[in-house]
Order: sequence, then structure tokens, then C-alpha cells
Amino acid sequence: SAVISQKPSRDICQRGTSLTIQCQVDSQVTMMFWYRQQPGQSLTLIATANQGSEATYESGFVIDKFPISRPNLTFSTLTVSNMSPEDSSIYLCSAGGTGGTMNTEAFFGQGTRLTVV
Amino acid sequence: DAKTTQPNSMESNEEEPVHLPCNHSTISGTDYIHWYRQLPSQGPEYVIHGLTSNVNNRMASLAIAEDRKSSTLILHRATLRDAAVYYCILRAWRGGYQKVTFGTGTKLQVIP
Repeated sequence: SAVISQKPSRDICQRGTSLTIQCQVDSQVTMMFWYRQQPGQSLTLIATANQGSEATYESGFVIDKFPISRPNLTFSTLTVSNMSPEDSSIYLCSAGGTGGTMNTEAFFGQGTRLTVV
Repeated sequence: DAKTTQPNSMESNEEEPVHLPCNHSTISGTDYIHWYRQLPSQGPEYVIHGLTSNVNNRMASLAIAEDRKSSTLILHRATLRDAAVYYCILRAWRGGYQKVTFGTGTKLQVIP
């Protein structure tokens, strides 16, 4: 199993600023994922972050708005840039399991609750 | 892209079995079916996963249709702690990277 820690757990930010969310895993993992969850809604995948390569973004999400770093096999960051109130949401980090296969469980952090005012 | 469809909500009496359905009619042959649940203010928690055969673990059972276009998560005896939103998820390889598709989720209420 893996334990995922996210920081900060919540924040209130001014529009036009940027926030970097950190995700730390207690073991090495191949795949890391970033999700957004609007209140009362399901999770939407933002991007997949693999160590040593550029993140792969889903449709509707771009690197300029959500730059991602993945410097090693246990850590990743997601930055929400030039924030607007529409970016208010919960952002979740997930790790995909050993070897990045789909035949293993994924683990999730507790999420970062972001409010943009 | 593959999609999953789930009922918005379901109710169950405590101590009774619960069958949570999921439709994934556009699933591809190598897509894995995962189930997670989410308690309020928490990240999703793994429940079970499978590819083609039915699966059992200490938490639940997963019944996968023969054509794989639907699956059912079975909680054998619902407890109050099982009240959560249950997500049916497909994990697949697409274009050299792993893609994850979350369903809309079913909010399970357990009645004492």
C-alpha cells in the first residue's frame, strides 16, 4: 500500500495569484495523477505525471494553467496559475501503483480544498 | 473514450446485501474495472477491481458481465460505515499512457 500526503489541505487565495499543491508518496510509484473535484461532483482527471517526462494533460486542461512537476518517484506538484473563482474546487493527487499497471489499486490523497476570492 | 454510468443514489437497510450497478458499454478489451468509495471530506478509497472474472475480497465482491459491458459491486452486509459515494472507474492504456475515467458515482445510504 501507499500513503499519500497533500499540502496544503485547504487554502483561500486571491484571484490572479497562483497556488502550488504538493503531493508526497511514502513509496516509489511510477504513475501519479492529478484530479479536480467540484462540490458534489465526480472526479475529473487533469493530467498524468510520470517521472522524467512531461505530464500528459486531458482535454480541457493545459500546461500553462496547470503546470506539473515530477522530479522523482515519490513527489509531484500541481500549480493552479492565475486563479479565478472558477478554479475553486478540491484537487486530489493519486498514485497508480507499482509498475504503473492497471492491475493494482490506486491510492489517493485527502485533497486540497481551494477557494478563490 | 470509455464512459461509465451509475445510478445517482441507492438505499439499503443495515445488515442487508447491496448491489451497486455500473454500465460501461464502450469498454475496451484491456480496460480494468475498478471500484472506489469516497466518504465526505476524504479522498477515494480502493474497494475492488477486476478484468474479466468475478472477484472477491474482504470488503466486497465484483461481478462482471460476460460481455464486460456492465459490472456490479456487491456489499454482502451493509453497515453504517459503508455509507459513501461509490465510483465505478475504468483504467486503460491509451496512446502510451494510462487513462482513468471516473463514473458519476452512486451515493449509498444505509438505513439503521
